[in-house]
Amino acid sequence: SYELTQPLSVSVALGQTARITCGGNNIGGRNVHWYRQKPGQAPVLVIYRDNNRPSGIPERFSGSNSGNTATLTISRAQGGDEADYYCQVWDSSSAYVFGTGTKVTVL
Amino acid sequence: EVQLVESGGGLVQPGGSLRLSCVASGFTLSSYWMHWVRQAPGKGPVWVSRIHSDGTDTRYADSVRGRFTVSRDSAKNTLYLQMNSLRAEDTAVYYCARGRNGDYAFDYWGQGSLVTVSS
Repeated sequence: SYELTQPLSVSVALGQTARITCGGNNIGGRNVHWYRQKPGQAPVLVIYRDNNRPSGIPERFSGSNSGNTATLTISRAQGGDEADYYCQVWDSSSAYVFGTGTKVTVL
Repeated sequence: EVQLVESGGGLVQPGGSLRLSCVASGFTLSSYWMHWVRQAPGKGPVWVSRIHSDGTDTRYADSVRGRFTVSRDSAKNTLYLQMNSLRAEDTAVYYCARGRNGDYAFDYWGQGSLVTVSS
């Protein structure tokens, strides 16, 4: 089965840049989607197909994907960005696969 | 405005059954692939099931295949998940989610319905 690995936690100073990685075998050949989940709430799509933002998501959120690592970048981090973040891909045998999740803390 | 509202969760004994509903508004259910995703307490999301926009093609995670059934009522614009032979490990918040046309992302999620399997 296909697996996606994320760091357990990432800390970022207010106003600085946070980078959250998502590792998977040749993930660069797949479309990667990213979700933000705040406590007690449903996940929200923040990036689809590697680097596209849904309407309503600030330009501060961006994504990249190459080789064995996809990255979600949050620029000018704000307190409201504190949340769990999950990457997700589709795999022909495993179907819809989510990453292990990263807790982002804004200091 | 797109909205998804789940209901039907609750406490059930191991081996019991439950049916979740997800009422959609702001779009036509039959125009999209629709999914159920669950999240156990303190864990990440796990995909459970999906139904194709044609209403006939369904797919399930290995952990629920043969026990869960996804369906929909187009007239009511409602998605269902029938859950039988429930186990303790099925305890989770269950979300319905809309599949984004053209790729395999989930662009809208409901607020979730908690299912607790315990004696």
